[in-house]
Amino acid sequence: AQSVTQLDSHVSVSEGTPVLLRCNYSSSYSPSLFWYVQHPNKGLQLLLKYTSAATLVKGINGFEAEFKKSETSFHLTKPSAHMSDAAEYFCVVSGAGRRALTFGSGTRLQVQP
Amino acid sequence: EAQVTQNPRYLITVTGKKLTVTCSQNMNHEYMSWYRQDPGLGLRQIYYSMNVEVTDKGDVPEGYKVSRKEKRNFPLILESPSPNQTSLYFCASSLTPRGSTDTQYFGPGTRLTVL
Repeated sequence: AQSVTQLDSHVSVSEGTPVLLRCNYSSSYSPSLFWYVQHPNKGLQLLLKYTSAATLVKGINGFEAEFKKSETSFHLTKPSAHMSDAAEYFCVVSGAGRRALTFGSGTRLQVQP
Repeated sequence: EAQVTQNPRYLITVTGKKLTVTCSQNMNHEYMSWYRQDPGLGLRQIYYSMNVEVTDKGDVPEGYKVSRKEKRNFPLILESPSPNQTSLYFCASSLTPRGSTDTQYFGPGTRLTVL
């Protein structure tokens, strides 16, 4: 069995300040982990993924995430928020088995000017 | 352009009137799935298909049917829609059946309202 907990349903930051979106997971297997972003009225787009290679993963638009097995975490960070980062972010875990993906409940990121 | 398409994008219907939401991908992907998105719940998988004529239930399959007669198409069928099926629906595909490390490609979504 696998599950994902996104610790914050809403995060608000000022433009130019760092972003931290928190994600904890549980999995019976060695997981693959993803972050997807959903802009308003759009589909989901892959930001980055961890698949048991380097624990620090770099994604698109300056985002990165660090896989910490001891803490079962996969937090998403960005050094400096931009207005265009305002969106909903989903942490996703995938393990062995055929159902592929389990989604977290999402974190809505607001960026204030 | 590689993409997943869904139709219709918006649909308002009444309880009990059968409907089909189509999904098509042009990437020759083997794995396709349907999700519904509800506020505070993230995306939950309804059904998935590992290849032609191979389908299986996801986490919330009640009230839905699917078929996979061709590799590119994976329609979602609501035989007798009810108001609790009002939701935002996404179709997704990935290259391989297991999909555990593959990137999922999502369609633009279908917003369904059942009155």
